[in-house]
Amino acid sequence: AAGVIQSPRHLIKEKRETATLKCYPIPRHDTVYWYQQGPGQDPQFLISFYEKMQSDKGSIPDRFSAQQFSDYHSELNMSSLELGDSALYFCASSLPLGLAGGGEQYFGPGTRLTVT
Amino acid sequence: AQSVTQPDIHITVSEGASLELRCNYSYGATPYLFWYVQSPGQGLQLLLKYFSGDTLVQGIKGFEAEFKRSQSSFNLRKPSVHWSDAAEYFCAVAAPYNQGGKLIFGQGTELSVKP
Repeated sequence: AAGVIQSPRHLIKEKRETATLKCYPIPRHDTVYWYQQGPGQDPQFLISFYEKMQSDKGSIPDRFSAQQFSDYHSELNMSSLELGDSALYFCASSLPLGLAGGGEQYFGPGTRLTVT
Repeated sequence: AQSVTQPDIHITVSEGASLELRCNYSYGATPYLFWYVQSPGQGLQLLLKYFSGDTLVQGIKGFEAEFKRSQSSFNLRKPSVHWSDAAEYFCAVAAPYNQGGKLIFGQGTELSVKP
């Protein structure tokens, strides 16, 4: 079965550089979530999109922005990178509640971002 | 606000022994609850979920969980642990879907399995 695809899997950037993380949801999933997981921590919600509109926003720095495109893939743009941005970034996708399997979030393998 | 607490940071069990991982949640209405498993450096795999109905839910890999509203708990169990079950386990509650449906995770429980 198709899974959530994230690219790149690993990314090394220097401080003050920019990074773009991409997420391709499971086909027919119209909702995308982004999470950040620091070392030894639980995943923290950043932002979500439903039908290409932002649906919720968590503790996402102003330096970060994201969008969902017409084909439902999503991109997380990170600027002025800081050492503290080093983390595993997950994308998850889901079907709407009310559909069979709806509400379940399926996670991609993550992008490991290292800022030096 | 919704929250999840996993009281045990690290648990060690012997292979073949039974397992119970604790999870307590705080939520104003009927919660949507999940257990995920994460191997080192890997993504999160959904083990099972509770939305409504039968309070004992079965998942993949022989796991089950029981929703107890009176105790605000959703503990994960497995009757006989295998060495391959060693991983980090996260309990999560979903925010209402009309508020975006984000997952709020507990701190995680690291499971080690002794031969």
